[in-house]
Amino acid sequence: DVKVTQSSRYLVKRTGEKVFLECVQDMDHENMFWYRQDPGLGLRLIYFSYDVKMKEKGDIPEGYSVSREKKERFSLILESASTNQTSMYLCASSLTGFIYEQYFGPGTRLTVT
Amino acid sequence: QKEVEQNSGPLSVPEGAIASLNCTYSDRVSQSFFWYRQYSGKSPELIMSIYSNGDKEDGRFTAQLNKASQYVSLLIRDSQPSDSATYLCAGFDSGGGADGLTFGKGTHLIIQP
Repeated sequence: DVKVTQSSRYLVKRTGEKVFLECVQDMDHENMFWYRQDPGLGLRLIYFSYDVKMKEKGDIPEGYSVSREKKERFSLILESASTNQTSMYLCASSLTGFIYEQYFGPGTRLTVT
Repeated sequence: QKEVEQNSGPLSVPEGAIASLNCTYSDRVSQSFFWYRQYSGKSPELIMSIYSNGDKEDGRFTAQLNKASQYVSLLIRDSQPSDSATYLCAGFDSGGGADGLTFGKGTHLIIQP
């Protein structure tokens, strides 16, 4: 079974703090993704990566950065957390090709106060 | 038109009946489609994938794809209260990068005992 893990299930941070969210997958997937999910807005893609050290902006990259130093690990960084970044953050991974599904981690519920 | 559209619901179905969930998509989304189930506070879980026109059955679930009409549906037979969740439809976005999926906002399904 594919396993995607995320470093925290719940996180509370203060405005202005630098926040690191980590994601690890154990199935040798090339692609990794970071989404945020908010009520009424659905899943929105923040960043994705198709290879080590490669990254591409998604639909809402502002205020975020990412790092992929190893194939199995993809980190999301909030440079200076703001209250409007309070959300559920979901990591996913997949193989390359249109027939391959994305598998999600359990999610991190981040609250910025 | 947004790439993937779903009726947000809630869709209320009596226990034991067939639940029918629908999704329409634009030209940019094609080739492959996926249905995810998401319980409140949890991450999306893949339940079905479909790549070609017609029906695909897996247990109580049937996915249907009609490329000419640009819709994809999910039927749940013998609905159970445990099927109550939000169902996300996703399509492979040929206009996006790195094998990205475009997600609908989801349909909230309620199975009434």
